Amino acid sequence: AQSVTQLGSHVSVSEGALVLLRCNYSSSVPPYLFWYVQYPNQGLQLLLKYTSAATLVKGINGFEAEFKKSETSFHLTKPSAHMSDAAEYFCAVNTGTASKLTFGTGTRLQVTL
Amino acid sequence: GAGVSQSPSNKVTEKGKDVELRCDPISGHTALYWYRQSLGQGLEFLIYFQGNSAPDKSGLPSDRFSAERTGGSVSTLTIQRTQQEDSAVYLCASSLGSLAGGLDTQYFGPGTRLTVL
Repeated sequence: AQSVTQLGSHVSVSEGALVLLRCNYSSSVPPYLFWYVQYPNQGLQLLLKYTSAATLVKGINGFEAEFKKSETSFHLTKPSAHMSDAAEYFCAVNTGTASKLTFGTGTRLQVTL
Repeated sequence: GAGVSQSPSNKVTEKGKDVELRCDPISGHTALYWYRQSLGQGLEFLIYFQGNSAPDKSGLPSDRFSAERTGGSVSTLTIQRTQQEDSAVYLCASSLGSLAGGLDTQYFGPGTRLTVL
């Protein structure tokens, strides 16, 4: 069985501040991990994915995430928030034997002036 | 190129009616997925098609839900005798299907918002 837990359903940061969105996973086999972003009334867009090639993964829009096996974490970060980053972010897990994604409950990011 | 498209974008129906939701995957993608996004349950997997293989229906919540994929391309999700708890956004995704499941990036459509009155 596989699952992800996203801590914090809402996160608010000031423009220019560090963005940190937390994701912890549970998997009985080595996982593949994903971060997706959803803007209002739109579908999900892939930000980045971890597939065991490198523990630090860089994605689009300046986001990156680090896979830490010892902490079973895959937190998403961005050094400097922009107003356009306001959206909902989903962490998801997959394994090599299962094609379906298992999503976390999502974190809504608010960026204030 | 064109992404995943879904129609209709919004659907309002009365309890007990049947509805059909359509998904057009990215051309050349052999894998197609349906998910449901609702306030109470978050994002849930419903069904997965891969080429000519039998679909993985393990996420369908009841026998009122069914899906077809014709000609390896377009898919239709059908909900019979709709209930208010079926109200949600139904998302379709497709992927190349050429890699082991976890490596295959899923590309999502904009979704169909279903409201059951």
